[in-house]
Amino acid sequence: AQTVTQSQPEMSVQEAETVTLSCTYDTSENNYYLFWYKQPPSRQMILVIRQEAYKQQNATENRFSVNFQKAAKSFSLKISDSQLGDTAMYFCAFMKATGKLIFGQGTTLQVKP
Amino acid sequence: DTGVSQDPRHKITKRGQNVTFRCDPISEHNRLYWYRQTLGQGPEFLTYFQNEAQLEKSRLLSDRFSAERPKGSFSTLEIQRTEQGDSAMYLCASSRETGTDSYEQYFGPGTRLTVT
Repeated sequence: AQTVTQSQPEMSVQEAETVTLSCTYDTSENNYYLFWYKQPPSRQMILVIRQEAYKQQNATENRFSVNFQKAAKSFSLKISDSQLGDTAMYFCAFMKATGKLIFGQGTTLQVKP
Repeated sequence: DTGVSQDPRHKITKRGQNVTFRCDPISEHNRLYWYRQTLGQGPEFLTYFQNEAQLEKSRLLSDRFSAERPKGSFSTLEIQRTEQGDSAMYLCASSRETGTDSYEQYFGPGTRLTVT
């Protein structure tokens, strides 16, 4: 069975600085997808970034980028130039071909002014 | 594209009562997923549909839970004889599945269930 582990329950960062959220996963699959989702307080889950396992190039979306290490089964999220609106709970998620998402426990990120 | 919608947004019920939630996916999405999220935790998969077919159910989905997607559009999730442990946020998500690639899931705002 696949598992996703986020070892940082809470993190904080000063506005405009860079922060990295960690995620590791366990799978015997070769083809899969990895995602980072953001869930602001009392608001719905939104997709931040997506990575296909077959792609060696790390995904980037504006201020968000990932460091995907397939052999190490590691998938960290880097947020550059942090903004107050980045304050949220961040979930790492794994998906194989069936499409169901397996989520980590989440990391609560607080961006301080 | 109006996004995924869920109704109701909040539901308070007494233990033992039945409740039903509705999810309307993004119109062109053929896959629909239900997840349950308890406070401070990541969502847990419950079940999913491709069109009207229910393809997988989690072991979390006891026989008190039933889900339908009768015409391959909206879906309902019913919980019979609710228990306090059913209190959670119930999330619906939809995606477009082409057979050659899987696409990201878009989530609705959720239905928060409180069982008293």
